[in-house]
Amino acid sequence: DAGITQSPRHKVTETGTPVTLRCHQTENHRYMYWYRQDPGHGLRLIHYSYGVKDTDKGEVSDGYSVSRSKTEDFLLTLESATSSQTSVYFCAIRGRENQPQHFGDGTRLSIL
Amino acid sequence: AQSVTQLDSQVPVFEEAPVELRCNYSSSVSVYLFWYVQYPNQGLQLLLKYLSGSTLVKGINGFEAEFNKSQTSFHLRKPSVHISDTAEYFCAVSPLTGANNLFFGTGTRLTVIP
Repeated sequence: DAGITQSPRHKVTETGTPVTLRCHQTENHRYMYWYRQDPGHGLRLIHYSYGVKDTDKGEVSDGYSVSRSKTEDFLLTLESATSSQTSVYFCAIRGRENQPQHFGDGTRLSIL
Repeated sequence: AQSVTQLDSQVPVFEEAPVELRCNYSSSVSVYLFWYVQYPNQGLQLLLKYLSGSTLVKGINGFEAEFNKSQTSFHLRKPSVHISDTAEYFCAVSPLTGANNLFFGTGTRLTVIP
């Protein structure tokens, strides 16, 4: 295992509520990523981080924000959840350039 | 911009038969190529990667893939599949520069039939 923990693993919430997902790593890797997985779309990048307080948008960033105040933690926040954000969310980490990304076990989020 | 096309969404194959999962990509820059496997209710596990050098890449669990630059393909093969290979397989590319973000195909579900 690559030392990645996602929490919670499952969450059910209502439309309009805020939601925060946490990714914690023990590898001291510089790069961290948030993806969402939906049927027929594969995985799509939401946001990524290349260091503490350094983040950037991916291809599906609308409705999401992120924060990285420590190397080991990368938080994904849905400020006001919508049903279209029901998905499985994966965190990934990467060390040096040319190295592959390693993925956590995912968070299954349902928004009713 | 990068895009990845996995030509088959589902591939059923009998146990001990060979299998090929197809992947084509499009990119305006040079890329690294990857295959990941996802077992039910789990995260993605790296099968193999092509960074440079030999175009035939060997990975875990007996899988291999061949990079064909002229055809922009990176097909995954296994000569004899097992029941335990039943899973979803994702092809992905990553630009050589920047944050090395991954761009994924939509996945191929491999079902091995006893």
